[in-house]
Amino acid sequence: QSVLTQPPSTSGAPGQRVTVSCSGSSSDIGSNTVNWYQQLPGTAPKLLIYSNNQRPSGVPDRFSGSKSATSASLAISGLQSEDEADYYCAAWDDRLNVVFGGGTKLTVL
Amino acid sequence: EVQLVESGGGLVQPGGSLRLSCAASGFTFSGYWMSWVRQAPGKGLEWLANIKQDGGEKNYVDSVRGRFTISRDNARNSLYLQMNSLRGEDTAVYFCARDWQLDVWGQGTTVTVSS
Repeated sequence: QSVLTQPPSTSGAPGQRVTVSCSGSSSDIGSNTVNWYQQLPGTAPKLLIYSNNQRPSGVPDRFSGSKSATSASLAISGLQSEDEADYYCAAWDDRLNVVFGGGTKLTVL
Repeated sequence: EVQLVESGGGLVQPGGSLRLSCAASGFTFSGYWMSWVRQAPGKGLEWLANIKQDGGEKNYVDSVRGRFTISRDNARNSLYLQMNSLRGEDTAVYFCARDWQLDVWGQGTTVTVSS
């Protein structure tokens, strides 16, 4: 059972906008920043968003993140077939552990 | 090119031990915290442990504390995970990752615990 709560799956058609939610508590998201990772099938995770809403170099601006209180969201606009992947949120907790969400499988219809 | 390459995975019997390695290149290894993260088959990501730049501070998730030990050798640009008293539920792909943001990941090494 993951500490952070994400929907198991979501889907959207090419060109649409989808969001993935991530719910935590005052011990993790409520007091630390949130990162998002993208894991394409059969590959290692890749940092997609850090510090709630910052994109590493090379990540398209179609991907955006936000945080409010003990929840966070990842938005993907202009959905493309190559966005089909698993998405994980993560945050540090007050014990200096990283806690992950269970992951959300994005299907591009 | 910034790169992390894990090795040392394999098949081990329950109760056995294994030592994983992670070779870093393309960046100043001694300047970063480093972590180990695992992913059981068909499951999500689980952070296991991290270690400070000089090795002087380590943090562990409860499920591995006392069984797993994280260490590093900055002269060899290498990170290690000593795993003892292995159980079936430790079967997973093990990744090393850089920094608090986990901004660089290796490709992973597979550990299978089975008799």
